[in-house]
Amino acid sequence: AQSVTQLGSHVSVSEGALVLLRCNYSSSVPPYLFWYVQYPNQGLQLLLKYTSAATLVKGINGFEAEFKKSETSFHLTKPSAHMSDAAEYFCAVRASGGSEKLVFGKGTKLTVNP
Amino acid sequence: DARVTQTPRHKVTEMGQEVTMRCQPILGHNTVFWYRQTMMQGLELLAYFRNRAPLDDSGMPKDRFSAEMPDATLATLKIQPSEPRDSAVYFCASGPRAGGLNTGELFFGEGSRLTVL
Repeated sequence: AQSVTQLGSHVSVSEGALVLLRCNYSSSVPPYLFWYVQYPNQGLQLLLKYTSAATLVKGINGFEAEFKKSETSFHLTKPSAHMSDAAEYFCAVRASGGSEKLVFGKGTKLTVNP
Repeated sequence: DARVTQTPRHKVTEMGQEVTMRCQPILGHNTVFWYRQTMMQGLELLAYFRNRAPLDDSGMPKDRFSAEMPDATLATLKIQPSEPRDSAVYFCASGPRAGGLNTGELFFGEGSRLTVL
């Protein structure tokens, strides 16, 4: 069954520093992978998605993620953190067999320090 | 712009009371999901509908929870009787049917925050 593991429930960076949020997936078939962001008291919003068209995926707000099959990873990065990036980030994989179900990781809370 | 609408946004109730949460999916979306979010468990899938038919409700406590789609514009999640451990944020999400150009991304509502005293 498809699953994702997010390493680190909390990540803290300084404003202007590199953001790196880790996600490893487990899938028996080529996966569809997603990163979502959740701001306080809001729903989840799609940041970016991997659908096998390109291994480096660019999303909104300057985020990007690289699909690495050899490492079964889909880490999220942003070169320079802004205070407004403080939020919780979820990695997700779509279930196999034509299902539309998304299986989410536990989430990583990003804190950006001034 | 198109969005998933959930009501109520906040609900405080007493143990034993019935709670009904409603969701209006994005027009044209074929799938609807109910997720529950808590600090301890994260995001848990409760129910999944495609074309109004329930496909998976294995994550839902059957004795007190029920989910339905009376029509394509309304999904409901009901808890009867409610218990303090049901306190959580309940999210509804909708999406197009997977396949072809559809990659299965979901669009989330803003959630219903439930507190059961």
